[in-house]
Amino acid sequence: QSALTQPPSASGSPGQSITISCTGTSSDIGGYNYVSWYQQHSGRAPKLMIYEVTKRPSGVPDRFSGSKSGNTASLTVSGLQAEDEADYYCSSYAGSNNLLFGGGTKVTVL
Amino acid sequence: QVELQESGPGLMKPSQTLSLTCTVSGGSISSGIYYWSWIRQHPGKGLEWIGYIYYTGSTYYSPSLESRVTISVDTSKNQFSLKVSSVTAADTAVYYCARVGATTHPYYYYAMDVWGQGTTVTVSS
Repeated sequence: QSALTQPPSASGSPGQSITISCTGTSSDIGGYNYVSWYQQHSGRAPKLMIYEVTKRPSGVPDRFSGSKSGNTASLTVSGLQAEDEADYYCSSYAGSNNLLFGGGTKVTVL
Repeated sequence: QVELQESGPGLMKPSQTLSLTCTVSGGSISSGIYYWSWIRQHPGKGLEWIGYIYYTGSTYYSPSLESRVTISVDTSKNQFSLKVSSVTAADTAVYYCARVGATTHPYYYYAMDVWGQGTTVTVSS
């Protein structure tokens, strides 16, 4: 099993929107609606931002949204804020009780 | 509020067996609605899922690591543990424990909603 594919970096100015992609296969992202997204600030533990492709845990701003098309999932951050600068990781269920992570995307707020 | 805390040695020598424990507080590890997982992060790199365990003792491992990894649970102590055998420098990483939803609404199916702070393990001779 290979890691999911994410772009290494993304950037935007405050107030703009950015979208991060996460590409897998029909055996993981394409086969299940169990994609989650995590935000990790430097030196901190990851934080769950999106689960089951589109759902937000309580307390996560609605500026964060998730979607999926085929074998690719996406995380969109609208109204970018300075505090959104962090690394973002996608994860997907891959069948047979296996989980996969993406390689991570570093988001820079210009 | 559930909290997870990792503990274990910070420095190890090659060929030794790494042992880490995650203590769960504020909730029961036997609730039956979560898996209990280990994840690691190599220095400057991304997250790597190691495996998870259900309170009954059923275990599921990443295919890339399962030959060297054992996860166990002690429900009486509300803890679960990780062992990695024959460590090398490539096992140097921050190791996290996390809670994974084992069912859907209102839980977070196959998502990690609670994480420990992480513990750094360095393998060096």
